Amino acid sequence: TQLLEQSPQFLSIQEGENLTVYCNSSSVFSSLQWYRQEPGEGPVLLVTVVTGGEVKKLKRLTFQFGDARKDSSLHITAAQPGDTGLYLCAGAGGQNAGNMLTFGGGTRLMVKP
Amino acid sequence: EPEVTQTPSHQVTQMGQEVILRCVPISNHLYFYWYRQILGQKVEFLVSFYNNEISEKSEIFDDQFSVERPDGSNFTLKIRSTKLEDSAMYFCASGILPGGEKLFFGSGTQLSVL
Repeated sequence: TQLLEQSPQFLSIQEGENLTVYCNSSSVFSSLQWYRQEPGEGPVLLVTVVTGGEVKKLKRLTFQFGDARKDSSLHITAAQPGDTGLYLCAGAGGQNAGNMLTFGGGTRLMVKP
Repeated sequence: EPEVTQTPSHQVTQMGQEVILRCVPISNHLYFYWYRQILGQKVEFLVSFYNNEISEKSEIFDDQFSVERPDGSNFTLKIRSTKLEDSAMYFCASGILPGGEKLFFGSGTQLSVL
């Protein structure tokens, strides 16, 4: 069974602060997806990272895939209240993963104005 | 922008009843999935479907569950005899790549089994 562990589980910060969310596994994945989920809604895809060491930027969000493709991080610069939500990482194509995504437990972020 | 649509958004049913959850995936996508999320828990894989057949299923997807793509656009999940523990948010997802990568999710059906 493959597991993805996210940390921290909860994060409450002030507007303008920076933060990093981590997604770790002992398994290798062919790609890592980051999703954002609002209450009562489905996960919305933010980015996919595929190559070990890859860095992708989406405005104030920076995503990195670990060199060994076992871990990933999401860094938000100058957080805004609109960044509030649940951030999920999900791995694809790991050993014995087949066609499924393995989801982490999520990081619930609250950005206070 | 194309999106995955799911109906109904909420479904309340009595234990032992059959329910059908419906999904319209993005039109040019080839891979279709059902996931579920019990309140406060991780999103869990149920089943993947490609080329009109199940390609993979999890331990959760037992004989009470079935999927169908009857008309080339709709993708349905049927639970034959619902149990209390089937209460969850059910998400349909679709993608154009194999391996579960870059999936787009619907808004979900909240199933409550009483």
